[in-house]
Order: sequence, then C-alpha cells, then structure tokens
Amino acid sequence: QPVLTQSSSASASLGSSVTLTCTLSSGHRSYTIAWHQQQPGKAPRYLMKLAGSGSYNKGSGVPDRFSGSSSGADRYLSISNLQFEDEADYYCETWDSNTQKVFGGGTKLTVL
Amino acid sequence: EVHLLESGGGLVQPGGSLRLSCAASGFTFSNYAINWVRQAPGKGLEWVSAISGSGGSTYYADSVKGRFAISRDNSMNTLYLQMNSLRAEDTAVYYCAKDPLQISLAGTIDYWGQGTLVTVSS
Repeated sequence: QPVLTQSSSASASLGSSVTLTCTLSSGHRSYTIAWHQQQPGKAPRYLMKLAGSGSYNKGSGVPDRFSGSSSGADRYLSISNLQFEDEADYYCETWDSNTQKVFGGGTKLTVL
Repeated sequence: EVHLLESGGGLVQPGGSLRLSCAASGFTFSNYAINWVRQAPGKGLEWVSAISGSGGSTYYADSVKGRFAISRDNSMNTLYLQMNSLRAEDTAVYYCAKDPLQISLAGTIDYWGQGTLVTVSS
C-alpha cells in the first residue's frame, strides 16, 4: 500500500510563505492526495485535493493563500502571507482501492 | 451545508463494548461513502473503517478487524461503529468523515465531523 512521508515540523514568520511536502512511496508516484488542516483542539478540516499533474481543487471557504503543486512523488502545500491562525498540524491523505486509506504522519507548522 | 455530528463516546473498561453514531445532514446521505478515522491523544490520524453509500461494502484497518463493525441506516441518515473487545490502545477521538463518491476507497475525504472521545481504561 502507499506510504506518505511528511516532515514532523516546519516554521515560518508571520506574513511570509511556507511550503509543506508530502512524499509518496515508490510505485505510488501518480496518486492523488488531499491536504487537511487541524488547528489546536479542533477537528481536521479539508483543504484541497491535489493530483499528480499538479491540478488541485480546494474546499469551501479555503483562502486563496493556500495552493497546491506536484513534482514526481512529491505533493506540496504552499501558504502565502502566513497568519497566526495557520499555525496547525497539516496531514496528507490518499487511498488504496479496496484496502484502506492512508495518512501521513503530519507536519506541525509554527508561525513565528 | 454538510454537517456530521458524532455521539456515543465515553469511558469503557478494557474488553467492553461501545457504539458510536454519526448523524449526517446537508447532503444526500446514501450517495456517499463514509469513514471512521481516529486520533489517539497527541498522535496523528489513523483510518479505521469505511462503508459504501449503499452499505454493501465495508473495509477495516487491520488493527480493528474482527472487533469493530461499521454500518449505516440510510433512512435515518446515520452511520454507526460498533466497537467490541476494546483495548487501551483504542483510546482516541473518533471522527466520521465523508468521501466524495458512493463507492468506498475511491477518493479523499472532503468533510469531517467534530469527533467523539472514547477512553478505554479500568
């Protein structure tokens, strides 16, 4: 089954930009993923679906500051003009037909 | 507006049972697969189970296979998770989460509920 690898933490300054990475395991480079945001003490929130082609579809109400892109096995979530409310855990998710869904370990983003 | 509301969590002893519910609104419930996803304290997200829109196909993580059972009542717009033989490692917040298609495991989650806490402890 696919494995999703994420860095455990990232940090960036208020008003700057940051890019988070989710890497698909060998043999699963073409998979579509989703990005989810989980603010402290809250339920996860769907941000976007991101295909291997780099095309993405955002969820309702997701600010324009959030965008996605892809390169090979890597799937990226970029956040511009960082706000304090962007401080959260970010998870990527994919699926393996007829077996299971898979989540990455999550990246904890700190806004300085 | 899509809304998912879990209930049924609580404190249960090891070896005990609990049934979680997820009440759905704002969409045609039977047209979409639904998942249970859990999060142990301080840990990441773990997929638990999925059920197709019709209820005819179900899937489980190896960690819960044989102990948990997912089901749905499309006339009541409600999803269930029957949890038996509970262990300390099942302690987590349990979320129901909607998929974008009727068949399970064919897309990524597009809506989440608020979660319900299950604590397994003596």
